[in-house]
Amino acid sequence: RKEVEQDPGPFNVPEGATVAFNCTYSNSASQSFFWYRQDCRKEPKLLMSVYSSGNEDGRFTAQLNRASQYISLLIRDSKLSDSATYLCVVTHNFNKFYFGSGTKLNVKP
Amino acid sequence: DTGVSQNPRHKITKRGQNVTFRCDPISEHNRLYWYRQTLGQGPEFLTYFQNEAQLEKSRLLSDRFSAERPKGSFSTLEIQRTEQGDSAMYLCASSPGTGGEQYFGPGTRLTVT
Repeated sequence: RKEVEQDPGPFNVPEGATVAFNCTYSNSASQSFFWYRQDCRKEPKLLMSVYSSGNEDGRFTAQLNRASQYISLLIRDSKLSDSATYLCVVTHNFNKFYFGSGTKLNVKP
Repeated sequence: DTGVSQNPRHKITKRGQNVTFRCDPISEHNRLYWYRQTLGQGPEFLTYFQNEAQLEKSRLLSDRFSAERPKGSFSTLEIQRTEQGDSAMYLCASSPGTGGEQYFGPGTRLTVT
């Protein structure tokens, strides 16, 4: 079983829509969680860390559900520039990070 | 530019040859990671250094792969006797060691013919 699983998408949404991605992880000992964004043919870039209490950064909200072992990312008021692949990342000791395969988002005008 | 740099950006090699890639992390970052990424997949962890010590290595990494970070600054990843299955993007990331955020370099794209 993969450490981190994501729906590959693509999610095709119009500008201004709200879209949500989920990610599940298999190791209950996982301690820290992140969302990264990767544009086509570019390196991944940190979007946000995910805290136990949930956290928000502008139009982006991340939540963690430890009981069900999943994390989510909500994007409100989608922009064309949000089109990218979103990678869910999990670690239990910062020595080794597990990336999901990514969820592709296409925001259309 | 004070970000993570990687060289070369592209490498084409024939099967059976050895290749070496270099990563220069952000200067104050003591943690350095190597990943491999293939099309449609997320980065796959290869190895981790804290300063000059290699503290973690993926079980998926065969004996043909070796990495060093001799002075705790730049790192090299060597692949011996390359195979076509080694064709991938090799990414390096560094981290300041708090919070877990990683900063990735642009990667080295390896093509084995």
